[in-house]
Amino acid sequence: EDQVTQSPEALRLQEGESSSLNCSYTVSGLRGLFWYRQDPGKGPEFLFTLYSAGEEKEKERLKATLTKKESFLHITAPKPEDSATYLCAVQPYTGGFKTIFGAGTRLFVKA
Amino acid sequence: GAVVSQHPSRVICKSGTSVKIECRSLDFQATTMFWYRQFPKQSLMLMATSNEGSKATYEQGVEKDKFLINHASLTLSTLTVTSAHPEDSSFYICSARVSTENTEAFFGQGTRLTVV
Repeated sequence: EDQVTQSPEALRLQEGESSSLNCSYTVSGLRGLFWYRQDPGKGPEFLFTLYSAGEEKEKERLKATLTKKESFLHITAPKPEDSATYLCAVQPYTGGFKTIFGAGTRLFVKA
Repeated sequence: GAVVSQHPSRVICKSGTSVKIECRSLDFQATTMFWYRQFPKQSLMLMATSNEGSKATYEQGVEKDKFLINHASLTLSTLTVTSAHPEDSSFYICSARVSTENTEAFFGQGTRLTVV
């Protein structure tokens, strides 16, 4: 069964304290892995797509990496405005572009 | 990135009435749109996949007669919650894929439905 598990559930950081969020996945065949940011009461905002193991993508203070079993979202020197829920999702080759989401990691960055 | 607009952002309705939620792709044509439901502090649960001009594909356990989905054009999909009850209160979110080549989907702002 295709599955996505994110850890930790919640993460509290001081401003400037770098850390990583984990996304472990099992999928029959990976078409793509996605990271989204979601603010309270809003729809998810697209961040990255990763397609194959070893791939990395960066955007400002965020860097996403991918292995055959997991993905990491590294946050370097976070700021309070980075506080949000970060969602990881996988899209298997089968299922017509359906996407399976993890429960998310709620990130709190304190000034 | 591509822009998806969802309307309304909030709606309160009486039990037994129907509510329609619109999802529009503003600057692209969306061959496929998805409808999700999200409970507090939980992840997105896919309700159905809709392709323009064809019937929606519903996930197991989702009542197709209760959640009517219409994808009449390449830029508009609608979700109608029929005979709404308090247990239908939730956050509903749509997403749309840009083309048959790209895999990622872009999300609307979500609709908070409260049934009283």
